[in-house]
Amino acid sequence: AQSVAQPEDQVNVAEGNPLTVKCTYSVSGNPYLFWYVQYPNRGLQFLLKYITGDNLVKGSYGFEAEFNKSQTSFHLKKPSALVSDSALYFCAVRRGGNTGKLIFGQGTTLQVKP
Amino acid sequence: GAVVSQHPSRVICKSGTSVKIECRSLDFQATTMFWYRQFPKQSLMLMATSNEGSKATYEQGVEKDKFLINHASLTLSTLTVTSAHPEDSSFYICSAGFREVGNEKLFFGSGTQLSVL
Repeated sequence: AQSVAQPEDQVNVAEGNPLTVKCTYSVSGNPYLFWYVQYPNRGLQFLLKYITGDNLVKGSYGFEAEFNKSQTSFHLKKPSALVSDSALYFCAVRRGGNTGKLIFGQGTTLQVKP
Repeated sequence: GAVVSQHPSRVICKSGTSVKIECRSLDFQATTMFWYRQFPKQSLMLMATSNEGSKATYEQGVEKDKFLINHASLTLSTLTVTSAHPEDSSFYICSAGFREVGNEKLFFGSGTQLSVL
């Protein structure tokens, strides 16, 4: 069965500092991995995805994520956090070939303080 | 970019009534639409997958007679919560997807906050 774990309910970081939001996954076969961001009472916005190729994926708003097959991780990173990055972040996985059906992690609240 | 419109954004209803939520893909034809439910500060739980012109596939534990899904066209899917009860209060999000050569795309609606009194 597919699953995604985000071990941290909340991550606090000061503006200008680097941030990391952790995600590990479990899936049979080749994983498709995604990061989404959600602002209060809004839908999800796509940040980035990994399907194949370079393990370092660059996405929207300066975010990037590194696919690590041996550690089954796909941590989200940004070199310099902004207050406006404060939101709820979801990691998701889809088994390759299973169109669109995403399994989401429990979400991590990112709080960036000025 | 592609837009998925979800309406209404917020609805308050009395217990026992039915509520319909619409999900429209505005500038593309969605071969597949998904309905999710989200409780406060929790993850999105997939409720069902619908393909245009066929019956929806419900996830385990989701009552298909209570959450009626219709995907009558390639641009519209509806979720009807029948005989709503306070425990149905939640944030409902739809997503719509399509395939293009070598890639699959998925877009999310802005969500509907349902409050059942």
